[in-house]
Amino acid sequence: AQSVTQLGSHVSVSEGALVLLRCNYSSSVPPYLFWYVQYPNQGLQLLLKYTTGATLVKGINGFEAEFKKSETSFHLTKPSAHMSDAAEYFCAVTGTYKYIFGTGTRLKVLA
Amino acid sequence: EAGVVQSPRYKIIEKKQPVAFWCNPISGHNTLYWYLQNLGQGPELLIRYENEEAVDDSQLPKDRFSAERLKGVDSTLKIQPAELGDSAVYLCASSLGLTGADTEAFFGQGTRLTVV
Repeated sequence: AQSVTQLGSHVSVSEGALVLLRCNYSSSVPPYLFWYVQYPNQGLQLLLKYTTGATLVKGINGFEAEFKKSETSFHLTKPSAHMSDAAEYFCAVTGTYKYIFGTGTRLKVLA
Repeated sequence: EAGVVQSPRYKIIEKKQPVAFWCNPISGHNTLYWYLQNLGQGPELLIRYENEEAVDDSQLPKDRFSAERLKGVDSTLKIQPAELGDSAVYLCASSLGLTGADTEAFFGQGTRLTVV
């Protein structure tokens, strides 16, 4: 069985500040992990993914995430928030041919 | 390259009426998913197709929901009759396959259904 927990349904940061969105997963098989972003009235866009290999993965728009097996975590970070980063972010795990999504974290960027 | 195309983008219907959603996946993608996204929630899988075969429909409410993927390309999702609780966003996604990087799912913009 697989599951995803996103800590914090809402996160607010100031423009220019560090963004940290937390994701913990549970998986009985080696997981593939993803972060998606969703803007209002839009579908989901892939930010980055971890399948195998390097545990620090870089994505689009300056985001990166680190796979930590010992902590079962895949937290998303960005060194400096931009107003355009305001959106909803979903962490997802797969490994058994089905994506399991977290409940999402809405990021608000304050001017 | 065109992405996953869904139509309509928005649909408002009265309860007990039927409704259908259409999805055209990325060319060459064998795997097609329909997801349900309620407000403030993450997407939840309704059904997954491998080519034209529905290989995982365990979460599809079969009393009122049906889906098909003729010829293993386009897919339609139907609700008959619709209930107030069906109001949500219906997302279609596709991927090349099931292993490694092929599992990356590409999502359409979704159909927002409002049942009144």
